[in-house]
Amino acid sequence: EDQVTQSPEALRLQEGESSSLNCSYTVSGLRGLFWYRQDPGKGPEFLFTLYSAGEEKEKERLKATLTKKESFLHITAPKPEDSATYLCAVQPFLNNNAGNMLTFGGGTRLMVKP
Amino acid sequence: GAVVSQHPSRVICKSGTSVKIECRSLDFQATTMFWYRQFPKQSLMLMATSNEGSKATYEQGVEKDKFLINHASLTLSTLTVTSAHPEDSSFYICSARASGRYEQYFGPGTRLTVT
Repeated sequence: EDQVTQSPEALRLQEGESSSLNCSYTVSGLRGLFWYRQDPGKGPEFLFTLYSAGEEKEKERLKATLTKKESFLHITAPKPEDSATYLCAVQPFLNNNAGNMLTFGGGTRLMVKP
Repeated sequence: GAVVSQHPSRVICKSGTSVKIECRSLDFQATTMFWYRQFPKQSLMLMATSNEGSKATYEQGVEKDKFLINHASLTLSTLTVTSAHPEDSSFYICSARASGRYEQYFGPGTRLTVT
């Protein structure tokens, strides 16, 4: 069974204080690992897809990396507007309907104080 | 690009009535759409997967007669909560995936309150 564990559950940072969020996963075969940002009362916003170990993607202050067991979302010099819940999800490499599914982690709630 | 809309954003209905939620992909064709439910401070729980023109596949524990899903076109899926009860109150979110792509793009969600 696919499993995704995110840590920490909550993270408080001062503005400008860089840090990393962790996503550990177990999947029979990885088709893709996805990072989303979710603001309260809204749907998740797509950030990145990573497909293979060693891959990195960047967008503004965010950089996502992938190994065979985990992914990190690095936040460099965060601003208060980066405050949100960050969700990690994996998609298995299956050629049936289950291959469409995402298994989500519990999320990391990030709070950046000015 | 990759914008998904949901309507309504909020709905309040009386116990025993039915409510329909629409999910549209605005700038791409969605061969597969997904419906999730999210409880406060919890992650997303997949309810069902629907492919255009086919019957939806429901996750274990989700009543297919209560949560009716229709995916009649490549840009529209609907979720109808039939005979709603207070325990059906939740945040419902749809997502859509284009053919040949793996990313799911999510709608803004619908807050359902059953009184």
